[in-house]
Formats: sequence, structure tokens, C-alpha cells
Amino acid sequence: GAVVSQHPSWVICKSGTSVKIECRSLDFQATTMFWYRQFPKQSLMLMATSNEGSKATYEQGVEKDKFLINHASLTLSTLTVTSAHPEDSSFYICSAERDISSYNEQFFGPGTRLTVL
Amino acid sequence: AQKITQTQPGMFVQEKEAVTLDCTYDTSDQSYGLFWYKQPSSGEMIFLIYQGSYDEQNATEGRYSLNFQKARKSANLVISASQLGDSAMYFCAMRGGLYGNKLVFGAGTILRVKS
Repeated sequence: GAVVSQHPSWVICKSGTSVKIECRSLDFQATTMFWYRQFPKQSLMLMATSNEGSKATYEQGVEKDKFLINHASLTLSTLTVTSAHPEDSSFYICSAERDISSYNEQFFGPGTRLTVL
Repeated sequence: AQKITQTQPGMFVQEKEAVTLDCTYDTSDQSYGLFWYKQPSSGEMIFLIYQGSYDEQNATEGRYSLNFQKARKSANLVISASQLGDSAMYFCAMRGGLYGNKLVFGAGTILRVKS
């Protein structure tokens, strides 16, 4: 099956520091990856769509200068939370799109739990 | 705009019984896809089942089936023979139309299976 990994699985950092989260598709190439944010007991909110070799497309209300996304290869996308603050504490999930049959399925990573002190 | 509505914040079901999780959607597009995902406490998103808008038959995957009523714009998930391991958050999602390949998620339903 298609496997997507995320690293790290959890991170605790001090306010003002930057944190990088990696999303890798392990056994397939993904031209498109997505980054989601999820607060406790809430739904997933799409932050941005990441396309290999081009700039990410951010959803309305998401600060692109704060959440830097780089999709350097067909198997790797990174999300960098710059100058993190406690309100950025959340569960961040990535997904990678793969053509399957009659539809494109998104395979999700296991998520990264970010806690900013 | 597309919208997904899950009206049940939480559900209880007795082990071995069937349970239906509701999902309604709103779109003006003819071509779209509907998904159900399970999210256990670990946080991972597990794909359960997919239904295309042009699929005439309801999708089934093992104990999961999707009750697709296109005219009512509903895509309810039916879990048969519930197991304790089915306790999790369940999300309905849609993609297609104006949103292209983006997934739009509902608010989710927490399911608790009782022994």
C-alpha cells in the first residue's frame, strides 16, 4: 500500500523558534501534497496545497510567511513553522495524492504534534 | 461553495450491533467524490470507503458500506457488527467541482462502542 511518513511525530519548542516538519511518500511519487492543521476534537483544516517544483497555494487566512512550505521533490514536502508561538500548538497532518483507479486518493501521514511553550 | 455536515457529535453503539453515521453535503457540481475516514486516538487518518457521484451502486468495503442517496445529498456510513476497535472519530469528506482535488471535511462524529 501507499505509505506516507512524517517527522518528527511530536515536537516541543520554545516560543520564537522555528520548527520544520517533513512529509515523505515512501513508495510512490506525489506531485501534490497537502498540509492540514487540527485542533483537539475538531476537524482537519486545509492549510495549503503543495506542488512539486512550484510555490504552495495557501488557503485563505493562512499566513504564508509563517508557514513556509517547500516541495523539493516528488517524495518530500516540508512545513516550517517560523517564530512559533503557543497559539501555533496543534496537530499537523500531511497527505500525498496518488492516482488510483478512477479517483485520486490522498494518503495521510501519521501527523506531528507541535507544542510551543 | 461545498459543505459537509455531520450532525452527530457523538454516538454510542453496542458491540456487535450496526451503526449509521450521518453525512450530508451541499454542492452544485455533478462530478464529485465522497470519502469516509477513521481517526483513532493516535491521530492517524485511515481511509475507509469512497463513493463517486456517478457510481450507481453503494460502495462497500468489508464491514463498511456507504448509503449514497444522491437526490438527498447524503452519504451515510454504515458499520456492521461493531467492534471495540471501531471506537474513534469518523470524518466524512468530499472533493471535486470548484475545489478540485482538495478534500473538504465535516466536523466529525465520535463513535464509542460499548461492550
